[in-house]
Amino acid sequence: GNSVTQMEGPVTLSEEAFLTINCTYTATGYPSLFWYVQYPGEGLQLLLKATKADDKGSNKGFEATYRKETTSFHLEKGSVQVSDSAVYFCALDLRSEKLVFGKGTKLTVNP
Amino acid sequence: EAQVTQNPRYLITVTGKKLTVTCSQNMNHEYMSWYRQDPGLGLRQIYYSMNVEVTDKGDVPEGYKVSRKEKRNFPLILESPSPNQTSLYFCASSLASTLGTDTQYFGPGTRLTVL
Repeated sequence: GNSVTQMEGPVTLSEEAFLTINCTYTATGYPSLFWYVQYPGEGLQLLLKATKADDKGSNKGFEATYRKETTSFHLEKGSVQVSDSAVYFCALDLRSEKLVFGKGTKLTVNP
Repeated sequence: EAQVTQNPRYLITVTGKKLTVTCSQNMNHEYMSWYRQDPGLGLRQIYYSMNVEVTDKGDVPEGYKVSRKEKRNFPLILESPSPNQTSLYFCASSLASTLGTDTQYFGPGTRLTVL
């Protein structure tokens, strides 16, 4: 079946450190891929997305590239801030009736 | 402002007492969905609706009901809540899931505790 695997957390970084959160997927087709972010006490909101192979999604300094050959969509940011502390979810949509989510990775950024 | 609203935001109840969590969106979205979020399990879909009067089961529908009488509203009903339904619930909406590229907009969540 369709699934998303993302790196286990929690991840703790110092401000201005480089961030990578790995995400790989299994899908019977060509999904759209998403990263959602959940700030403390809030609902999820879309961070970025990519709809086809080699697309790069970017927003707020975060980037992720849709890699079909490695079935991956890793999230990166060159210099994290305290305000980036949140839970990050990788997800795929295969033109079905739902998003398939990974289990989430909690990021804590210390000053 | 485009948004998905849920009520209540917090609820503590007892086993067996029927409850309804409301969800409303003002974006004229066809697709609406309910998820529950549990530690270590991520988000799991409970029910979804592709349009008015069209609903279908997600991954974990047992113990829940939904209805979609109007496009903007998609209430989640727990007829006889049990402690294993203690969770954080999210409602979401989007234009149309079948396109595969539509962003889902999430409500702020409802934290439910069943004693």
